[in-house]
Amino acid sequence: QVQLQQSGAELAKPGSSVKISCKASGYTFTSYYISWIKQTTGQGLEYIGYINTGSGGTNYNEKFKGKATLTVDKSSSTAFMQLSSLTPDDSAVYYCARGGLDAWGQGASVTVSS
Amino acid sequence: DIQMTQTPSSMPASLGERVTISCRASQGISNYLNWYQQKPDGTIKPLIYYTSNLQSGVPSRFSGSGSGTDYSLTISSLEPEDFAMYYCQQYDSSPWTFGGGTKLELK
Repeated sequence: QVQLQQSGAELAKPGSSVKISCKASGYTFTSYYISWIKQTTGQGLEYIGYINTGSGGTNYNEKFKGKATLTVDKSSSTAFMQLSSLTPDDSAVYYCARGGLDAWGQGASVTVSS
Repeated sequence: DIQMTQTPSSMPASLGERVTISCRASQGISNYLNWYQQKPDGTIKPLIYYTSNLQSGVPSRFSGSGSGTDYSLTISSLEPEDFAMYYCQQYDSSPWTFGGGTKLELK
């Protein structure tokens, strides 16, 4: 069955970076894009962008350009999202999802605090 | 960006009841509308794609309809496991956007 397994919770300091992973299984990894979504209590669900897992091409929501960087390692069927220059506003649960969002990871909590 | 407005934001309901959740887009989205269920542990389950198509494994008590700017999710007879958060999402134009959610609560 299709599974997206995300890395664990992160506690980071303001100004630092974190890198979240999303390991796919149960399907041909390069046949579907991977999207990333941010969830906070205040802003709800926000679409960050997607990566073409075959070519590595990316498309970002303007709001997250410069904040999120999406990459992929085809050899391990894993997608990554790096969040840089962290502020408390980046504290959220981040989800990866396949293609048309037809399968989701379990979410990864990021807390930014000094 | 297309704004997605869900109503109501919370809905008390009883087991066996029929409920409908509404989702309105700020402009027409040509039926490019998905629905999701989120449980308290954060697990997000896709329910419906392209307005009315059930994802594999989703019970037939769930249905979706709509066109233009107005869409809805109906649960025909509530089961205990249906009490959760529900979100709509448009994928007509970038960036994809989500509704604010509807919390379905046990009355």
